[in-house]
Amino acid sequence: DIQMTQSPSSLSASVGDRVTITCRASQGISNRLAWLQQKPGKAPNSLIYGASSLQSGVPSRFSGSSSGTHFTLTIDSLQPEDFATYFCQQYHDYPLTFGGGTKVEI
Amino acid sequence: EVQLVESGGDLVQPGGSLRLSCAASGFTFSDHYMDWVRQAPGKGLEWVGRSRNKANDYSTEYAASVKGRFIISRDESKNSLYLQMNSLRTEDTAVYHCVRASGGSYSDPDYWGQGSLVTVSS
Repeated sequence: DIQMTQSPSSLSASVGDRVTITCRASQGISNRLAWLQQKPGKAPNSLIYGASSLQSGVPSRFSGSSSGTHFTLTIDSLQPEDFATYFCQQYHDYPLTFGGGTKVEI
Repeated sequence: EVQLVESGGDLVQPGGSLRLSCAASGFTFSDHYMDWVRQAPGKGLEWVGRSRNKANDYSTEYAASVKGRFIISRDESKNSLYLQMNSLRTEDTAVYHCVRASGGSYSDPDYWGQGSLVTVSS
């Protein structure tokens, strides 16, 4: 199975901050990586696919990048509605696997 | 507008069975791969299994933790995805989400349903 190691598990930030979350795959996944946002009591919402492509309707302050098996989600100028938990997911091979999540707190 | 609405969650005893449904609308159901993903209370996300699209005969894949106990199926006429869960264990307690993949093979998850809560307890 492909292991997805996500860090940090939580972080504290302020409105306007730049936030970076990383995910490392245990083997190559050909950039078949998605980033998801989940708010308490809600379903996850897809933000990014293909490591760096924004889903329709996602604000441009969200961006994704990759270098080999290392992936990064960046949120420029954190907004109040961005406080949530973020997950990475690989969809390169079965079983599909997720990172452990990063809780972004005020 | 793409909509995925799960139903069927309930309290069930260990060893029991339950079937979840996911009603899909707003897209051509037969064209898309569909997943079930679960989230235990306060925990992360775990992929349960997949139904490929019609072009791939709706074939399925399962996580090791549910293989042999859970079955994914579809009813094209009802635009519905199902998860038949047998021999349920306490560790199967979770919210189960229906997830659409954007297309076929190697496609990303793009829409999630709100989920249906399954509680396995005596």
